[in-house]
Amino acid sequence: RKEVEQDPGPFNVPEGATVAFNCTYSNSASQSFFWYRQDCRKEPKLLMSVYSSGNEDGRFTAQLNRASQYISLLIRDSKLSDSATYLCVVKHGSSNTGKLIFGQGTTLQVKP
Amino acid sequence: NAGVTQTPKFQVLKTGQSMTLQCAQDMNHNSMYWYRQDPGMGLRLIYYSASEGTTDKGEVPNGYNVSRLNKREFSLRLESAAPSQTSVYFCASRQPNTNTGELFFGEGSRLTVL
Repeated sequence: RKEVEQDPGPFNVPEGATVAFNCTYSNSASQSFFWYRQDCRKEPKLLMSVYSSGNEDGRFTAQLNRASQYISLLIRDSKLSDSATYLCVVKHGSSNTGKLIFGQGTTLQVKP
Repeated sequence: NAGVTQTPKFQVLKTGQSMTLQCAQDMNHNSMYWYRQDPGMGLRLIYYSASEGTTDKGEVPNGYNVSRLNKREFSLRLESAAPSQTSVYFCASRQPNTNTGELFFGEGSRLTVL
């Protein structure tokens, strides 16, 4: 079983829709959690960190459920420019020594 | 404003050939990483270096070696390339003494092994 698992999709949604992705992780000692965005044939870039209490950044909301070992990303009012692959990332260990493990990514296609 | 620089961007090798992917960062980051990305597999960690002078295996280290030459540079070597190593390779670095988790990636190196 992979340490970090995501539904690869693709998720095809119309503009303006709300879409949610989940990501499960297997290591209960995982300390930090993040969502990255990757555009086609480009490098990944940090979208947002995920905090224990949940956090919001504009149209994006991230949640963490430690008991069930999953994180989620909610995108409201989808834009065409949101089309990308969203990667869940989990970090083990202390801030400078921990390794970061990526999920396989969930592809989102927003259509007009 | 270079950030993380990887070379080469593209490479074609024959089975059994060797090569080194170079990576350099100018952000004074302690930690550096090498990932490979294959269709449907996401990014998989090959090796990482938490700080200068240390290296550790990631999820898929077999067939690779690394060198943390100094704080700026972290190279990945394929001693005897195999077709299974055809992939896109990303180098990344991370800010020291923070818990933001933000990895800064290079643009990737696309390697084909025939």
